[in-house]
Amino acid sequence: RKEVEQDPGPFNVPEGATVAFNCTYSNSASQSFFWYRQDCRKEPKLLMSVYSSGNEDGRFTAQLNRASQYISLLIRDSKLSDSATYLCVVNSLRGGGATNKLIFGTGTLLAVQP
Amino acid sequence: GAVVSQHPSWVICKSGTSVKIECRSLDFQATTMFWYRQFPKQSLMLMATSNEGSKATYEQGVEKDKFLINHASLTLSTLTVTSAHPEDSSFYICSAQRFGSYNEQFFGPGTRLTVL
Repeated sequence: RKEVEQDPGPFNVPEGATVAFNCTYSNSASQSFFWYRQDCRKEPKLLMSVYSSGNEDGRFTAQLNRASQYISLLIRDSKLSDSATYLCVVNSLRGGGATNKLIFGTGTLLAVQP
Repeated sequence: GAVVSQHPSWVICKSGTSVKIECRSLDFQATTMFWYRQFPKQSLMLMATSNEGSKATYEQGVEKDKFLINHASLTLSTLTVTSAHPEDSSFYICSAQRFGSYNEQFFGPGTRLTVL
């Protein structure tokens, strides 16, 4: 089983739609959770961290369910510029917690259509 | 702040040659740098973790003698792909962890390596 699993998509949605991405992780000891965005042939860029209480940043809402080991990202009022691959990322501690290691999901491709 | 650069941004080389990729943190000191590899339509896979002044820690399945990592200063880490072969063609991305920042990694723009 992969440490971080995502639906690869693609998700093809019209402009203005609301779209939700889900992610599950296998290591119950994971401490930190993130959503990254990666455009084609570019490096990943941090979209938002994910907190247990849920957090919102404009049109983006992220939620974490530790009991179910489940993370979600909701995008409201999709824009053409939202088209990208969205990566679910979980940290894994090593070396007694001295070093963090990011585990990336394979990503979910979103294509927003005009 | 927190800018990471990589050089070169792309490189094409012949099979059997060695290629060096540099990763620099431009405006902060990086205690730890990470090297990732991403094949087409796949996710980033961590290759190794390097700490300034010490040997790199390689992930399982990554040959340390093939992928040489040097982290000689708090702002520079290098990855050398020795005797590159076509199967080493990939997108290599580094990230840097700022001193005092436990969780956050800042990514470089990546280096696209094509081995003919």
